[in-house]
Amino acid sequence: DAGVIQSPRHEVTEMGQEVTLRCKPISGHNSLFWYRQTMMRGLELLIYFNNNVPIDDSGMPEDRFSAKMPNASFSTLKIQPSEPRDSAVYFCASSLGRIGEQYFGPGTRLTVT
Amino acid sequence: TQLLEQSPQFLSIQEGENLTVYCNSSSVFSSLQWYRQEPGEGPVLLVTVVTGGEVKKLKRLTFQFGDARKDSSLHITAAQPGDTGLYLCAGGGGSNYKLTFGKGTLLTMNP
Repeated sequence: DAGVIQSPRHEVTEMGQEVTLRCKPISGHNSLFWYRQTMMRGLELLIYFNNNVPIDDSGMPEDRFSAKMPNASFSTLKIQPSEPRDSAVYFCASSLGRIGEQYFGPGTRLTVT
Repeated sequence: TQLLEQSPQFLSIQEGENLTVYCNSSSVFSSLQWYRQEPGEGPVLLVTVVTGGEVKKLKRLTFQFGDARKDSSLHITAAQPGDTGLYLCAGGGGSNYKLTFGKGTLLTMNP
């Protein structure tokens, strides 16, 4: 069975550019999560969706960040414009939502120069 | 805001040693999960505990949920090189959707 798929795996961009990260959750899962991981802050929840609807976006740093889930098999996290402090590893995870067991993708390592 | 504190932050051991890492909070959680993360990969779920006092074993790993469901421990017996990585605990609240993660314990092995 395919796990959570994320693309790209690595992204290097210049400050001010738009960045779009993509995620395909595990088929049948009804919750999707976007996290950011840094050495300083650890794993931070940015936003989560249930049945394609955003439930909690309180972790989104600022208006430069936006996320969408147009259907049950696809989600995007967009940063526009990007800044060097956005450099981190971004993870997508999905779950069935019953007791919160989450399955993570391999992550996208973002470097903003 | 629910917080989970993990200790120690770093742990370096010899092969064959036993070790315990801790996950503590002042908040009550409905479930507690442990994940292991290797470099360049996402966290992988090891176990979920939901009942106060619950103990689960996974080969050489023993997980315990505190009686009050505020803390947990992970004990590894006779550590092997394949046990290295970042161990993360995560607490689930009443919504059953959102997890609060600790910052992790990084386990390395002395050569």
